[in-house]
Amino acid sequence: GAGVSQSPSNKVTEKGKDVELRCDPISGHTALYWYRQSLGQGLEFLIYFQGNSAPDKSGLPSDRFSAERTGGSVSTLTIQRTQQEDSAVYLCASSRSTNEKLFFGSGTQLSVL
Amino acid sequence: EDKVVQSPLSLVVHEGDTVTLNCSYEVTNFRSLLWYKQEKKAPTFLFMLTSSGIEKKSGRLSSILDKKELFSILNITATQTGDSAVYLCAVSLGNTPLVFGKGTRLSVIA
Repeated sequence: GAGVSQSPSNKVTEKGKDVELRCDPISGHTALYWYRQSLGQGLEFLIYFQGNSAPDKSGLPSDRFSAERTGGSVSTLTIQRTQQEDSAVYLCASSRSTNEKLFFGSGTQLSVL
Repeated sequence: EDKVVQSPLSLVVHEGDTVTLNCSYEVTNFRSLLWYKQEKKAPTFLFMLTSSGIEKKSGRLSSILDKKELFSILNITATQTGDSAVYLCAVSLGNTPLVFGKGTRLSVIA
């Protein structure tokens, strides 16, 4: 596609429910990243996929968070048993390879009530 | 721990002013430094700097890197209301994700 596409753009959920956030990277980009941005804060790294290598999950804040990337393209970030502190903008980015500039999607605003 | 620190955290200026945003870093295995502009949600790329002392310029924006003193500055001349945004600095460390600073929120008032 022309750019990184994320869906949904907004998600409101109740505490304790599971949510899935989707990212469709730029075609041909081998690296895909998930970041989280809480109100007024910088970008917090969550997880990173590079080609067929095992993902770098070092930024995931708890075992309620997981992500997968199918066929080296679309990625899904899943948050189980959501908590209010999970409320944030979840940003996905892709790049041609590691160390190249990142192209960001418009994010998913997650609100946990 | 790898660290990227931006200053100031926020800044209010009048149209036409010149501003300088700062980014300092303490990281292992530095590869490059990047600046992004975030107006709503999606940060957009401004500059990537890898070499000291070489200014990168795009219109009214310019940036330079000092690898000895471990910092970069982003200059915006003749500011306009459309420059209002959060400016993010990030450092690339090699085969790891970018490390971002908290950003500088710039507000340009008419």
